[in-house]
Amino acid sequence: GNSVTQMEGPVTLSEEAFLTINCTYTATGYPSLFWYVQYPGEGLQLLLKATKADDKGSNKGFEATYRKETTSFHLEKGSVQVSDSAVYFCALSDPRRANSKLTFGKGITLSVRP
Amino acid sequence: EAGVTQFPSHSVIEKGQTVTLRCDPISGHDNLYWYRRVMGKEIKFLLHFVKESKQDESGMPNNRFLAERTGGTYSTLKVQPAELEDSGVYFCASSLGDSKTQYFGPGTRLLVL
Repeated sequence: GNSVTQMEGPVTLSEEAFLTINCTYTATGYPSLFWYVQYPGEGLQLLLKATKADDKGSNKGFEATYRKETTSFHLEKGSVQVSDSAVYFCALSDPRRANSKLTFGKGITLSVRP
Repeated sequence: EAGVTQFPSHSVIEKGQTVTLRCDPISGHDNLYWYRRVMGKEIKFLLHFVKESKQDESGMPNNRFLAERTGGTYSTLKVQPAELEDSGVYFCASSLGDSKTQYFGPGTRLLVL
């Protein structure tokens, strides 16, 4: 079946540090890939997405590139801010069906200190 | 445009009691999904409605969980009787047509004591 693996957390960084959060997936075919973020006290928000190989999703300074050859969708940001402190979830949608369920990774908590 | 809303935001109940969670999707969205995150674990799919029909309920843990979407608008998820392991955050999401992008609500935090 489909699965998503995220690096273990939590992660603590200083402001302006470079961020990489690893995500790899297992799926049959070509799923769409997503990063969702949950800020403290809030719900899940879509951060970025990519729907086909080599696509790059980007938003709020975050980027992730769909790498079919390594089945990865790592999240990066060049300079994190305190306001980026949140839980980040990598997810994929079943490629065999439109509007199908999402499969999530375990999530990773990022804390950015001033 | 209003986003996905969920009610209540928090619920604390005792084992054996009944709780009903409500989700209002984005207006016009025909797809409605329920997910759950148990403490520290993955967000897991529960079920998917297309309008008022259950498209996929493969993630429902057992028959203590009952989901409905009468009229194809809002949805309710009832847990009866609640058990300790039902504690977690229940998320609702909606999407339009064949779109793969789902929009999530803020979640309901359920604690069963």
